[in-house]
Amino acid sequence: QVQLQESGPGLVKPSQTLSLICTVSGGSINSGGYYWSWIRQHPGKGLEWIGYIFYSGNTYYNPSLKSRVTISIDTSKNQFSLMLNSVTAADTAVYYCAREPVFVGASDYWGPGTLVTVSS
Amino acid sequence: QSALTQPRSVSGSPGQSVTISCTGTTSDVGGYNYVSWYQQHPDKAPKLVIYDVTKRPSGVPDRFSGSKSGNTASLTISGLQAEDEADYHCCSYAGSYTVLFGGGTKLTVL
Repeated sequence: QVQLQESGPGLVKPSQTLSLICTVSGGSINSGGYYWSWIRQHPGKGLEWIGYIFYSGNTYYNPSLKSRVTISIDTSKNQFSLMLNSVTAADTAVYYCAREPVFVGASDYWGPGTLVTVSS
Repeated sequence: QSALTQPRSVSGSPGQSVTISCTGTTSDVGGYNYVSWYQQHPDKAPKLVIYDVTKRPSGVPDRFSGSKSGNTASLTISGLQAEDEADYHCCSYAGSYTVLFGGGTKLTVL
């Protein structure tokens, strides 16, 4: 059974960089066949796709966030990461990591999510 | 890219059927058969209930069904049960390796 778990600071100051890690267990992140995604949800709102990375390191981002986002992968640790720079209060959200099988177009496994608040 | 359009809320009584719509454009919903639906209970992560417009993951009851016509996809839940009360989010591939979500719909079981 694949499991994903987000980790990182729950509080980030404005203008700083939000950094989160997603640890994958129960399967190898290096096995291919999956995109590894970051998705966020503002309080009381819908979901927003941030981007995803393939095991090879190819990345794809939401055009509206592309200038501030970096997603990376560490296959040796079975982890992938999110960095979002120059954050503002508008980046306060629950951040989820998820797995999307290639050619399926949907995320079948999700982490529980982690709330990140941007505040001084 | 704009978010897909969903009704803010829908409701139905136990045993009834409800349908939630998700409207996009020819660049997303209408252009690809990669529409998915997620169920989300309060303070929980989303759970996949429909993918590739009509397919159900293993373990999802056949009361959940999906369809698409033109630029609008729909999720139908038949035989409503109390545990179906949740938020439902649609999602579509939008080309160039990008993904769009809808704003979410709150389903109330009366």
